[in-house]
Amino acid sequence: DVKVTQSSRYLVKRTGEKVFLECVQDMDHENMFWYRQDPGLGLRLIYFSYDVKMKEKGDIPEGYSVSREKKERFSLILESASTNQTSMYLCATSGQGLPEAFFGQGTRLTVV
Amino acid sequence: AQTVTQSQPEMSVQEAETVTLSCTYDTSESDYYLFWYKQPPSRQMILVIRQEAYKQQNATENRFSVNFQKAAKSFSLKISDSQLGDAAMYFCAYKKHGFGNEKLTFGTGTRLTIIP
Repeated sequence: DVKVTQSSRYLVKRTGEKVFLECVQDMDHENMFWYRQDPGLGLRLIYFSYDVKMKEKGDIPEGYSVSREKKERFSLILESASTNQTSMYLCATSGQGLPEAFFGQGTRLTVV
Repeated sequence: AQTVTQSQPEMSVQEAETVTLSCTYDTSESDYYLFWYKQPPSRQMILVIRQEAYKQQNATENRFSVNFQKAAKSFSLKISDSQLGDAAMYFCAYKKHGFGNEKLTFGTGTRLTIIP
């Protein structure tokens, strides 16, 4: 079974802090994604990566950056957290050209 | 750009009854995948069912089946014999077929409540 692990289930950070959300997968998948989930808005793609050191902006990249130094790890970075970044963040992976995506358990981030 | 629309923010169904969740999508592509994902209170997103657009036969997985209407761009999920464990958010999702088309586009979700 694919395992996608997000480093924290709950996180509380202060406005202006630099925040790292980590995601690790054990299935040697090429593609990794960060989504943001908000009530009434569904899942929106922030960034994705199709290979080590490669990244592409999704639909809502503003205020975020990402890092993929190793194939199994994909980090989402909030350079200066703001209250409007309070949300649920979901990491997902998929194999190149394969249909299904597999998700982590989500990180609920609160910025105060 | 592809869009996925779920017009029912909330649905409820009596235990053991059947419920249908609606999804429509917009695309100019002819080859793509459609998915229903389930997100229970534990938050772990789980794939329920997948449909390939080139297949005319509707996908079925045990109590879950879809009604795929390609011309109408409609993709509904039917849950038969509803169980308490079916209570969750359900998301419809779209993905273009083929290498390099890796992004999933999601609808806004339908929260399903099961009434005992």
